[in-house]
This record gives sequence, structure tokens and C-alpha cells, in this order.
Amino acid sequence: GAGVSQSPRYKVAKRGQDVALRCDPISGHVSLFWYQQALGQGPEFLTYFQNEAQLDKSGLPSDRFFAERPEGSVSTLKIQRTQQEDSAVYLCASSAGTGGGSNQPQHFGDGTRLSIL
Amino acid sequence: AQKITQTQPGMFVQEKEAVTLDCTYDTSDPSYGLFWYKQPSSGEMIFLIYQGSYDQQNATEGRYSLNFQKARKSANLVISASQLGDSAMYFCAMREGNFGNEKLTFGTGTRLTIIP
Repeated sequence: GAGVSQSPRYKVAKRGQDVALRCDPISGHVSLFWYQQALGQGPEFLTYFQNEAQLDKSGLPSDRFFAERPEGSVSTLKIQRTQQEDSAVYLCASSAGTGGGSNQPQHFGDGTRLSIL
Repeated sequence: AQKITQTQPGMFVQEKEAVTLDCTYDTSDPSYGLFWYKQPSSGEMIFLIYQGSYDQQNATEGRYSLNFQKARKSANLVISASQLGDSAMYFCAMREGNFGNEKLTFGTGTRLTIIP
């Protein structure tokens, strides 16, 4: 497809379970981002990849959160031992920018709505 | 201090009128970029317009324009001739710095409702 694709669209898990969220960026986009959006709030940065390198993971809220992009394309955000406060929409974005103060916009997927029971 | 402030939680505007959505920002970095995104109820984030800190002219994209006042650190979005399809959440976001820092910081958003 032409846009950023995220799966699953919805995910319900019991507290304590592990979950994995997938992001397929726009073909050729070097930069990939994960954001967390709580209900009624703006997205908050989690982590950033340039190709396969994770250049910034300062937004990951705890060591239960882990992201990877092993071949510089598809990325997976994994949350271990989920807690109720992890319930949110997780947005993935990609950009043709390669750092250096790029003016390239980030293009977002439709997000994964995660609910922890 | 909040890096991005959007002071209007909600706005109601008559169809075909122009609307201004406010955004102020806080950064000490001389190089930054400002973005506006639209988020309809379906959830996707749609890029609207971009303004760089060194851009001399205000950005325009179709019915969208950005009223960039650098000294006041404001970057208000202006939508001309509003349409029913403009009803959505609107987010202002900032990218700071030049080297390697691509992440966006978002405001809390403004919910715009267009009244027929």
C-alpha cells in the first residue's frame, strides 16, 4: 500500500500479557517513529529509528517497552507484562527525512488501539 | 513549561467562515519546524502544513495557511472557507534542532466543529 500500515487495528489483552504491535512504513522511508496517544491527548513520542538504528528511545516509559526494526523496514513495538496504564492508541509514523532538521513531514498510520483489561 | 500550547480545547464555526486555531511554542533552539496535523474521528493523523523557523514567508497549502509570528513564538493555523469535512481534532507540533532529532512534540489539540 501507499501509506503507513499498522496491525492489528485493535488489540485487547489481559493485564500481564505480552503484546506486539506491527508497523509497515511507506516504502523507502528511512525514518520511523512510534508515538503513544492517550484518550483526549496529543501523541507522545516513544522512539525513533533511522534505518535499523534506534537513535532515540528516550520516550519509552519503562523497560517493559521494546522496539525493533531489524532490517530497516518493518518495525515491531513490544510491551511486556502489560499494565492498565498501557491502554492507549499506538501510532507509527514514517518520514523520508534523514535527520539534519528535515522539513519532511511524518506520515502516520491509523494506529493500534490497545486495551488492557 | 509546555513546549506546545493550544489554548482552545474546542471551537464551533459556521460553515464557509474562516477559522484561526492558536498555537504557541517554546524553544531556545534557533532551528525548528512547526507542523499542523488533522485527526478526524476515524483516528488517522493527516499532515496539513509545515513552517520552518528560517522561512521568510508564511506557509500556505490550499485553504490552509500558517500565521507565523516568530517574535511572539506563535504559529496559528488559518482555514479559509470552512467545510463540514473540516470537523476534526487539530494538533500543532514542533521539531527542534538540526542534527538527528526528528521527533515531534505535540500540543493537546483543538476540537473544531463546523456548523452547517
